[in-house]
Amino acid sequence: QSALTQPASVSGSPGQSITISCTGTSSDIGDYNYVSWYQQHPGKAPKLMIYEVSNRPSGVPDRFSGSKSGNTASLTISGLQAEDEADYYCNSYRRPSSYVFGSATKVTVL
Amino acid sequence: QVQLVESGGGVVQSGRSLRISCAGSGFPFSNHAIHWVRQAPGKGLEWVAVISYDGITKYYADSVEGRFTISRDNSKNTLYLQMNNLRADDTAVYYCAREPYLVVGVATFYFDYWGQGTLVTVSS
Repeated sequence: QSALTQPASVSGSPGQSITISCTGTSSDIGDYNYVSWYQQHPGKAPKLMIYEVSNRPSGVPDRFSGSKSGNTASLTISGLQAEDEADYYCNSYRRPSSYVFGSATKVTVL
Repeated sequence: QVQLVESGGGVVQSGRSLRISCAGSGFPFSNHAIHWVRQAPGKGLEWVAVISYDGITKYYADSVEGRFTISRDNSKNTLYLQMNNLRADDTAVYYCAREPYLVVGVATFYFDYWGQGTLVTVSS
């Protein structure tokens, strides 16, 4: 089960916007709106940031947004802040009846 | 508040078995599908398995199919993962993660709460 493809690293200065891409196939991202994104700080459990492509759970800042086009989903962080420095993972349902994570993107705030 | 607490990790020899647990509290445990997700040291997240709210439906990643068994005891609010024939590449922190619901039994396909994980180390 191959992972979804994410860039290994993305960086930006405080206040800037960055976008993390997540590329899958027609068996997962391309065919389902079940893409979610997770933030993980070192030594901590993952935290849900986005679900169903673009929905934000309560408590997640609105500077986090998600979208999808074809087989690629994206997470955008606007107004980058120091506490956003972390690893980010996308996830999608993949038929028939499994889930797949992305390969992780390390976000660095310069 | 919602809590998921994993336990039972440790060091085990290659080829042996181990069972880890995940205790849930602060929410109606028996209404939720629950997943196991693992993370090898310094590596990314890997989905392992899911079990439906009633324990009837189970799905596994190819990498563990036939070796791992997910189960639950809703009377104890506890999830289990029985791991047999362990290999070195099963070494990881194992997280349990809750899947939310709008209607019991209807999947929502994401994970809203995670435990802190339990480390399983398989030695050769």
